[in-house]
Amino acid sequence: GAVVSQHPSRVICKSGTSVKIECRSLDFQATTMFWYRQFPKQSLMLMATSNEGSKATYEQGVEKDKFLINHASLTLSTLTVTSAHPEDSSFYICSAKVETGHNEQFFGPGTRLTVL
Amino acid sequence: AQSVTQPDIHITVSEGASLELRCNYSYGATPYLFWYVQSPGQGLQLLLKYFSGDTLVQGIKGFEAEFKRSQSSFNLRKPSVHWSDAAEYFCAVGGNKLVFGAGTILRVKS
Repeated sequence: GAVVSQHPSRVICKSGTSVKIECRSLDFQATTMFWYRQFPKQSLMLMATSNEGSKATYEQGVEKDKFLINHASLTLSTLTVTSAHPEDSSFYICSAKVETGHNEQFFGPGTRLTVL
Repeated sequence: AQSVTQPDIHITVSEGASLELRCNYSYGATPYLFWYVQSPGQGLQLLLKYFSGDTLVQGIKGFEAEFKRSQSSFNLRKPSVHWSDAAEYFCAVGGNKLVFGAGTILRVKS
């Protein structure tokens, strides 16, 4: 149980275009999902907390107008990178929180974004 | 503020040898502590977690970790490393949000 999927696993796009990444909890409902960014050989940095039915909460320094997050259902959150530029190239990982007393998170397999 | 320190960026061990990966944390309350493993280009897999109770935690793949409150540490151990354990390991702390350490890359030599 507690499987999280991401789609696509890899995406290459041209500079200036927008890219949407999906994060799904396959066998449980998640009112809270998280989006992380990981640069090569670095750790995961939390970008935002995605809350079902409400606005996302962004971490300091993350542009909310550039990284649009929508959590329209209890099993789906999407991250849209708008007007992507080469510096947005990164590995994006989502996680979904299991609503137990310990708030455990399960991670998706990640999406590799390359902006040309 | 919460923080996690993994002092070793790289560790190389021989196959069959024992392993210990260090993790120190700073957290204002009783922490929830996690160890994750990441293979290249993949997401994170949970190895083990500590919430409360017994300070020695058993995880998957033969890993264990010990929570030492006095040392603010949560070191990961394995008595005999296999070549397939080569990966990057992340320690994390948090409640609602997780803070990750910088990671330790484990290399296994045959």
